[in-house]
Amino acid sequence: EIVMTQSPATLSVSPGERATLSCRASQDISSNLAWYQQKPGQAPRLLIYGASTRATGIPARFSGSGSGTDFTLTISSLQSEDFAVYYCQQYNNWPPMYTFGQGTKLEIK
Amino acid sequence: QLQLQESGPGLVKPSETLSLTCSVSGGSITSSSYYWGWIRQPPGKGLEWIGIIYYSGSTYYNPSLKSRVTIFIDTSKNQFSLRLSSVTSADTAVYYCVRGIGSISWFDPWGQGTLVTVSS
Repeated sequence: EIVMTQSPATLSVSPGERATLSCRASQDISSNLAWYQQKPGQAPRLLIYGASTRATGIPARFSGSGSGTDFTLTISSLQSEDFAVYYCQQYNNWPPMYTFGQGTKLEIK
Repeated sequence: QLQLQESGPGLVKPSETLSLTCSVSGGSITSSSYYWGWIRQPPGKGLEWIGIIYYSGSTYYNPSLKSRVTIFIDTSKNQFSLRLSSVTSADTAVYYCVRGIGSISWFDPWGQGTLVTVSS
């Protein structure tokens, strides 16, 4: 099983500042990585797939980068609605065995 | 716009079988481009993939749950369903139905989720 490790567990950032979230895979997953945003009481929402492609309707302030084992989600200028939990997910296996990171909580500083 | 909606009992007794259905609207479940799946999230915890199904009936399950999980599809009703047998309190979670873009994929969209509590 591919283990996904996110860091930090909690990130405190002020509105308007940049946030950088990390996700590391236990083995090479190429660019087969997605990022999701989850707000309290809501389902996760797809932000990024293919490590760097924004999903439909996702603002340009969200960007993803990385390949292989190390990935980053950057939010360039935090808005109030961006404070949430963020999960990464790998989809590199065959047969399918999807795994998620444990999440990073982005909170207001 | 494709929408997914979970339905089923919110309370299941230990050792019994959890059954949930996902109704798909705004698109056909028989599209050859997509898989359909289930993901769960225990209260206050992270996400766990349960399994996926193709409209033809092909399934793939999380090995940790495989012995207890069945996912099946009803193309006439545009629905797919989850059964999880021999449940324990560890199966208490919000269960989400999702669409996958192909068999090795990310998930989008997600249903709103339904909380299933295992308790006597």
